[in-house]
Amino acid sequence: QVQLQESGPGLVNPSETLSLTCTVSGGSISKSYWSWVRQPAGERPEWLGRIYSSGSTTYNPSLKSRITMSVDMSKNQFSLRLKSVTDADTAVYYCVRVRGYGGSPYYYGLDVWGPGTTVTVSS
Amino acid sequence: ENALTQSPVSLSVSPGETVTLSCRAPESVYGNFLAWYQQKPGQAPRLLIYAASNRATGTPDRFSGSGSGTDFTLTISTLEPEDFAIYFCQQYGSSPWTFGQGTKVEIK
Repeated sequence: QVQLQESGPGLVNPSETLSLTCTVSGGSISKSYWSWVRQPAGERPEWLGRIYSSGSTTYNPSLKSRITMSVDMSKNQFSLRLKSVTDADTAVYYCVRVRGYGGSPYYYGLDVWGPGTTVTVSS
Repeated sequence: ENALTQSPVSLSVSPGETVTLSCRAPESVYGNFLAWYQQKPGQAPRLLIYAASNRATGTPDRFSGSGSGTDFTLTISTLEPEDFAIYFCQQYGSSPWTFGQGTKVEIK
């Protein structure tokens, strides 16, 4: 079965760029959508965006022009970059599979989650 | 965005009881693409229900989802000790996808 694992720095300085990678194992990254979700301590999750294996993206407008997602098919990985971070970006970050069915690319919703990685923004 | 409101925020119940959690949207959720997740401390959310009423693989049948449009419900029948957790609803019918604030189910 598909498993996801986030990796990247746990501490990022304010105003710098947060970079995370998700490694997909047990299945191919192709022909699927993938998402990033974050959750500050004690708060609801926040959906950051999704990327198709072709590289097509949809981002949450709340992040404006700070976010970039990418896919590396050769490594079966997808990545998140969030620039100009502040302490409001401190959270647990999850990479998630979006599973589709038939004519609906998102039918099953966010069905497989990585364990999450804690990112703290602080100097 | 289609912001979701869950109620109650928390409830205390005894094992064996039945609980009903509510999730409401200000606008109709396209395709009834509404999911429910369970989250325990220190863990990632786990998908329980997708498309309003379909149990995900591995979800016990004591969990059931219902509703359409703007009003959705998650019912947990005969609560087991492992069911005490936080439950989030999430809509994925329109971007940006959004989550409710969660309902915490605690042991009485």
